Amino acid sequence: NAGVMQNPRHLVRRRGQEARLRCSPMKGHSHVYWYRQLPEEGLKFMVYLQKENIIDESGMPKERFSAEFPKEGPSILRIQQVVRGDSAAYFCASSYGGSSGNTIYFGEGSWLTVV
Amino acid sequence: DAKTTQPPSMDCAEGRAANLPCNHSTISGNEYVYWYRQIHSQGPQYIIHGLKNNETNEMASLIITEDRKSSTLILPHATLRDTAVYYCIVTLGNTGKLIFGQGTTLQVKP
Repeated sequence: NAGVMQNPRHLVRRRGQEARLRCSPMKGHSHVYWYRQLPEEGLKFMVYLQKENIIDESGMPKERFSAEFPKEGPSILRIQQVVRGDSAAYFCASSYGGSSGNTIYFGEGSWLTVV
Repeated sequence: DAKTTQPPSMDCAEGRAANLPCNHSTISGNEYVYWYRQIHSQGPQYIIHGLKNNETNEMASLIITEDRKSSTLILPHATLRDTAVYYCIVTLGNTGKLIFGQGTTLQVKP
């Protein structure tokens, strides 16, 4: 049973370019979450999505960042016009449902470097 | 979500049990205690979670005090591969918004 799959694992972008990070949740999971971990810092929640819906985006920067989880295909975290401060590890997680006590599983992360 | 307090670091001898404490004195009745760990440069790994009763799985045991104000994660036979940062998180578990604190850095030594 495959876990949460993220790609690319490593991505290098020049300042001003766009970065797209993809996440395929575990089989049967319909809830996806994105987290960011800046260098030497803890993980910070960004956004919670269900199929075709954003449930909670309270942790997303107001500009340049967007996320989607279409009916078909992986969830996408898009960062437009990247800056050096966007360099971080971006982790996707998924769960079966949104009920109390459910288990959330994380992927291995996508490491973005902005040069 | 309730705040948790963990020691910043702990050492454990290989093969011995590692007991990682967590205080969560403001936990509410319907909040769960979750434990995750993060090995350097990897994604957080789910370990175990519980509400009131003690829990055990293939990785660890979770002991929750009767008043639910503290808990202990037990790795019964620590190996070098258990060296990681361990996070105790208290949450309802229905929003995916896990608050990761500083955690406890566990160093397993040979």
